[in-house]
Order: sequence, then C-alpha cells, then structure tokens
Amino acid sequence: EVQLLESGGGFVQPGGSLRLSCAASGFTFSSYAMSWVRQAPGKGLEWVSGISGSGGSTFYADSVTGRFTISRDNSKNTLYLQMNSLRAEDTAVYYCAKGPKSSASLNWFDPWGQGTLVTVSS
Amino acid sequence: DIQMTQSPSTLSASVGDRVTITCRASQSISSWLAWYQQRPGKAPKLLIYKASSLESGVPSRFSGSGSGTEFTFSISSLQPDDFATYYCQQCNTFPYTFGQGTKLEIK
Repeated sequence: EVQLLESGGGFVQPGGSLRLSCAASGFTFSSYAMSWVRQAPGKGLEWVSGISGSGGSTFYADSVTGRFTISRDNSKNTLYLQMNSLRAEDTAVYYCAKGPKSSASLNWFDPWGQGTLVTVSS
Repeated sequence: DIQMTQSPSTLSASVGDRVTITCRASQSISSWLAWYQQRPGKAPKLLIYKASSLESGVPSRFSGSGSGTEFTFSISSLQPDDFATYYCQQCNTFPYTFGQGTKLEIK
C-alpha cells in the first residue's frame, strides 16, 4: 500500500524557516515525481512545487519561487520542502502527493499524504 | 498562469440525484485535467484523470468529459458519502492550478 507521511509542520514567526518532510513507502520512490500542495484554512488547493523522480527537475509556484526549495533523498524515500522567509500567507496545511510517472510534467496526484499544518504568525 | 473556473461554487442536491460540475480553463489544456474529492479534514482523493479516465477503485457513478477548455464532472446517482467538496486541476502547464472548488451539500 502506498503511504505518504508528512512531518515538520508547526508554528513559526514571519521571516522564519521550516523544513517539511514526507516519508514514502509502498512504491519505488525514485520512479515517481512528487509535489507539494497546500491549503490555507477554509480555502482551496494551491500547488506549491514539484520534482522529478531523479530530482533533476524542479518547478515552483510564483508565490514561493526564491523562498522555498523542494528536494528529495531517494536513498531515504523522503521528500523535503525547505521554506524560508515565511509569510503569514504561507499558513496552510501542506500535503505531499505522488505523481503518476517519473517526469514531473503532466502530473495528477494520487495518493496524498494526511498533511502537516504550518502556521506563520507573530 | 492558467485560470481554472469551476461552477457552481455550491450545489445542493438529494441522495439519488444526478449532478454536474463544470470547469473552464483560461486556455486549452487538451485533456490534462483531473478531478478530486475532499471530505472535511481529509486529504483530497483522485477520482478522474486525463479528463475522463476513472481512477482504479472509484465507483462508476463518477464520470468526467471534455477537452480543450470546457470540462464536466458528473455523479449519476448521489450517495450519502458523496457530499464533499470537488476540485478540478489542470496539469498541462506549470504552475499547475486548481479550480476554486464546488461544495456539494445535502438539500
């Protein structure tokens, strides 16, 4: 069974940093692209970032470009999201999600993890 | 960025009803569209990919159609578990974008 388990969320002040992790199991991790998708409280879904199976290609939403960095360690079956210069508008539940193939292009997401809450506030 | 516009934002229906949600893309996305169901406090669940392909294990009462800029998602006979929020997502072009969601409520 494919499982994705996020961790690393919490409370941080504006301008601070946080690193999210997503531990994957039940599939050949390096063969699949992964993405981060977030959902602000009471709001809709926003794609944040994606990475190819090899880690060689990365993509970002304009709202996080230059502040967030996606990476993966295929030896540890783990996806990361390093978040710097956090703002109040980054407050959200962050989900990791698996793509259907190694390329991060043309990806839908299945499954999703349970999410981890990031709260940015002073 | 490609804008995805879903309608309606809220839909009230009864068990057994057939319902349809529309998703419009601001430019052509071919058939690169997915539909998700999200229940309160839960992660989204994939229902349809490539506009009309039913994800394995998803009941056949769910269906999708369309291409280019106009897409529809339908539930043929609503069941109690179907009352949730539904999102479309384009995966044709980065950044991927979602519709604003359609909340399906019990009438």
